[in-house]
Amino acid sequence: AQSVTQLGSHVSVSEGALVLLRCNYSSSVPPYLFWYVQYPNQGLQLLLKYTSAATLVKGINGFEAEFKKSETSFHLTKPSAHMSDAAEYFCAVSTTGGRDDKIIFGKGTRLHILP
Amino acid sequence: DGGITQSPKYLFRKEGQNVTLSCEQNLNHDAMYWYRQDPGQGLRLIYYSQIVNDFQKGDIAEGYSVSREKKESFPLTVTSAQKNPTAFYLCASTRDRQYFNEKLFFGSGTQLSVL
Repeated sequence: AQSVTQLGSHVSVSEGALVLLRCNYSSSVPPYLFWYVQYPNQGLQLLLKYTSAATLVKGINGFEAEFKKSETSFHLTKPSAHMSDAAEYFCAVSTTGGRDDKIIFGKGTRLHILP
Repeated sequence: DGGITQSPKYLFRKEGQNVTLSCEQNLNHDAMYWYRQDPGQGLRLIYYSQIVNDFQKGDIAEGYSVSREKKESFPLTVTSAQKNPTAFYLCASTRDRQYFNEKLFFGSGTQLSVL
């Protein structure tokens, strides 16, 4: 069975500082991994997706994530935080190949940007 | 512009009442989904549909019902059997039936509250 764990329900960083949001997954087969962002009272938008083509994945708004199989991790980073990055971020894992496969979301990490 | 439209944005339910949340997409996507979001709980799958006139239960289908009579529409009914309906409901879609490695397109959500 698949699962995903996001470490830290709230993370605060200063504007201009490094953003690091942690995600660990569990999957018995090679996974697909996603990061989504949700701004207040809105739906989710895809930031980036890992599909085994490359371990370092670049997404929108300057975010990137690195797939580390040995650590079963897919942490999200951004070199310099901007006020507009304040939102909730969700890591998700899925597999393909069967009717019962589905995407599993983590519980989310709310990112606060300090001026 | 193509997208997913959810209505209403806010909805209030009285005790014993059924309410229906609307979800319409003009993306020509085959698959559609309903998720429930509670604070700090991530997203949980209620129902999904891969094709017209077919749908499957997700993880928390009890107290909910859906229909898929048209490709572009996937309404969700919250029945009186759902004893804790207060949540943010998100509708999503993906391009085709093999969907779990694909980007989910989300609507902007409906906040349901109990009077």
